[in-house]
Amino acid sequence: AQSVTQLGSHVSVSEGALVLLRCNYSSSVPPYLFWYVQYPNQGLQLLLKYTSAATLVKGINGFEAEFKKSETSFHLTKPSAHMSDAAEYFCAVSVPYIQGGKLIFGQGTELSVKP
Amino acid sequence: KAGVTQTPRYLIKTRGQQVTLSCSPISGHRSVSWYQQTPGQGLQFLFEYFSETQRNKGNFPGRFSGRQFSNSRSEMNVSTLELGDSALYLCASSLEPTASTDTQYFGPGTRLTVL
Repeated sequence: AQSVTQLGSHVSVSEGALVLLRCNYSSSVPPYLFWYVQYPNQGLQLLLKYTSAATLVKGINGFEAEFKKSETSFHLTKPSAHMSDAAEYFCAVSVPYIQGGKLIFGQGTELSVKP
Repeated sequence: KAGVTQTPRYLIKTRGQQVTLSCSPISGHRSVSWYQQTPGQGLQFLFEYFSETQRNKGNFPGRFSGRQFSNSRSEMNVSTLELGDSALYLCASSLEPTASTDTQYFGPGTRLTVL
């Protein structure tokens, strides 16, 4: 079975600082991996996805993530945090060729950005 | 192009009642998935519909059901509501079945409160 663990339910950074949100996955087969962002009272917006092409994936709003098979990780980074980045972030895994495309989500990390 | 639309946005019901939630996918999208989001359990997959057929189902009791119409709009129904059904219900649509690499686009959700 697949699973996702997000380390840290709450991360706080200063504006302009590096954002690093950690995600580790468990999958017996090559997975697809995703990062979504959720702003208050809104649905989920896809930031980026890894589907077995390039291991370094660039997304929207300056975010990127690197797939590291040896570490079973898919950490999300952004060089310089902006106040508008404050939101909840979800890492998700799927194995479409086995379980259809249902997304299995981590518990989420709430990012706070201090001025 | 309009995004995924969910109605109603907010709903209050009492235990034992039933409820129907509606989701209109992005124009041209034929796959619709439903997820439940609660503080305790996080985001959990309910089911997926494609071309009016349920393709995948999560681990929820039979009180949770859904259907998809020929125009790809989908409804989910919860019968005999329990307090624990209080949640944000999210709908996501994609062009093809989620077993492909298509991106799933999420709606804003319906917040259901069971009293």
